[in-house]
Amino acid sequence: DQQVKQNSPSLSVQEGRISILNCDYTNSMFDYFLWYKKYPAEGPTFLISISSIKDKNEDGRFTVFLNKSAKHLSLHIVPSQPGDSAVYFCAASDQGAQKLVFGQGTRLTINP
Amino acid sequence: DAGITQSPRYKITETGRQVTLMCHQTWSHSYMFWYRQDLGHGLRLIYYSAAADITDKGEVPDGYVVSRSKTENFPLTLESATRSQTSVYFCASSDPRGQSRGEQYFGPGTRLTVT
Repeated sequence: DQQVKQNSPSLSVQEGRISILNCDYTNSMFDYFLWYKKYPAEGPTFLISISSIKDKNEDGRFTVFLNKSAKHLSLHIVPSQPGDSAVYFCAASDQGAQKLVFGQGTRLTINP
Repeated sequence: DAGITQSPRYKITETGRQVTLMCHQTWSHSYMFWYRQDLGHGLRLIYYSAAADITDKGEVPDGYVVSRSKTENFPLTLESATRSQTSVYFCASSDPRGQSRGEQYFGPGTRLTVT
């Protein structure tokens, strides 16, 4: 039973445009959400997070939106740059736990 | 080296062999984790540890054993490797006192092939 789902395995976006990556979850106990970025042959690196008490968190070009009623979060990257080409994982945790549940990942390709 | 390291980076072994993947971190983070990454499944938690001598199962623990006698090391052992354990394995650590809850720092991964 996949508690965190990223239904788009891949996404292709033109450089300079907005990239929107989506993530759905089923466990209503999740109260903290994170996005990780992964380049080939490297480990994932933390990108941005959001607590369930918020509906938006921004860090530079990256913004995460949380819709609790829909159990949906999204990551917006504006403007998209070639270096943003990577696999993006969303992850969730519940009740103050340190362990995370990850989605399947979305491969983002930024085209020049 | 500072940070989190994994060894070996690549390993080929035969079915039935015992294999140990090493993970070492220099931050003294209390939490450590082992994940496997497979196409279509993302990252799945195998085992984690909240402190030395405290370990717990994750989502896919069968066929794996862990130990944590020292805070900085968290080895993962495949007792009798099977082809289904061919995967990329990531170790991670986290500090519960960190700024972002659940923020984990990942090693570079070990690509394991079981023939």
